[in-house]
Amino acid sequence: KQEVTQIPAALSVPEGENLVLNCSFTDSAIYNLQWFRQDPGKGLTSLLLIQSSQREQTSGRLNASLDKSSGRSTLYIAASQPGDSATYLCAVKGNNDMRFGAGTRLTVKP
Amino acid sequence: GAGVSQSPSNKVTEKGKDVELRCDPISGHTALYWYRQSLGQGLEFLIYFQGNSAPDKSGLPSDRFSAERTGGSVSTLTIQRTQQEDSAVYLCASSLWGSGTGRQETQYFGPGTRLLVL
Repeated sequence: KQEVTQIPAALSVPEGENLVLNCSFTDSAIYNLQWFRQDPGKGLTSLLLIQSSQREQTSGRLNASLDKSSGRSTLYIAASQPGDSATYLCAVKGNNDMRFGAGTRLTVKP
Repeated sequence: GAGVSQSPSNKVTEKGKDVELRCDPISGHTALYWYRQSLGQGLEFLIYFQGNSAPDKSGLPSDRFSAERTGGSVSTLTIQRTQQEDSAVYLCASSLWGSGTGRQETQYFGPGTRLLVL
């Protein structure tokens, strides 16, 4: 069974700092990997999706990389802002399921 | 355009009762997913529908849980004989395709149904 782990569980940084969130998974047989953000009491918003054949995706200040062979993905956030404060979840899609990590709770202090 | 909608937004029920949760995916989306998120826990995958294919039910936590998708659109998640441990937020998501490329597989989530079993 696929297991997804996110490190760190929580992160607090001052505004403007660049940061990296980590995601690892145990089964490299995946279709894609997605990064989401979840704001308190709200649903999930998709940030980036990386196909299994791709190595990275970029959207604005966000960059996600995927190393399928080693079972790792990173989400890089440049020039962090207080509005980036949320829980970030990574999820891997297998043949018939989706497995989520427990998330990294990010706080960006003004 | 309209996003994924779920109803009810909140449901309080007594232990042992049956509940039905509804999900309306984005029009034209062929893939639909159900998850649950218990307090302080991560998302737990429940079931996934792709087009008219029979879903893999192995992710459902017990035989009290069932889901169907009528006409390839609206989906209902039914929990029979509810237990207190069923209390959670039940989330539904849809995507254009379940095995396409890039944006076709991006999942759009509904606001969830918060279920409380007393």
